[in-house]
Amino acid sequence: SQQGEEDPQALSIQEGENATMNCSYKTSINNLQWYRQNSGRGLVHLILIRSNEREKHSGRLRVTLDTSKKSSSLLITASRAADTASYFCATENRGGSNYKLTFGKGTLLTVNP
Amino acid sequence: DARVTQTPRHKVTEMGQEVTMRCQPILGHNTVFWYRQTMMQGLELLAYFRNRAPLDDSGMPKDRFSAEMPDATLATLKIQPSEPRDSAVYFCASGEPTGSHHNEQFFGPGTRLTVL
Repeated sequence: SQQGEEDPQALSIQEGENATMNCSYKTSINNLQWYRQNSGRGLVHLILIRSNEREKHSGRLRVTLDTSKKSSSLLITASRAADTASYFCATENRGGSNYKLTFGKGTLLTVNP
Repeated sequence: DARVTQTPRHKVTEMGQEVTMRCQPILGHNTVFWYRQTMMQGLELLAYFRNRAPLDDSGMPKDRFSAEMPDATLATLKIQPSEPRDSAVYFCASGEPTGSHHNEQFFGPGTRLTVL
């Protein structure tokens, strides 16, 4: 079953604009991770935020986590055409098998040059 | 540059045939996962191993799927007999969890399976 649900399912923006993707989940978590998948490729880990953290940055990425609302957001600033990909959130659930991740269905981001 | 490798990258087979997919995890990683990705269901965890022992295969149809780790450098996923509904991309991922600090998973390029 899907734990994380990304929103929107698809997002199209112009190069240079910011892109925001949201993820909601249902159960308590140890951490939440964001992955990126280019067409025809495997997933690549972007960033991990632990349940006791509220915000994390990595380059042009900013992730927030609100455990009271069971939601997270991924912000990509100053987007580039090369950011075009699908983005997935994944949760490691508290009380579940360690290290097992449950993935959402993803947001397809298209950045137009 | 350490990577997870998977073979074959593409497989087309006929219904009823046996399919074996192979994965070489990153050397030193003690946890290996098998996922299946389809448009309808998204990314589903089929099974995973830690130190070569199966920990969870609840996502895998037991009657036709089997997963093994004959040694630390090889994980296999077998479907016998295959059915058209098994058509999907199968990903292997590996990782080396150290408490809560390094929980990322490293994915292979996937095997695209088409069952006719």
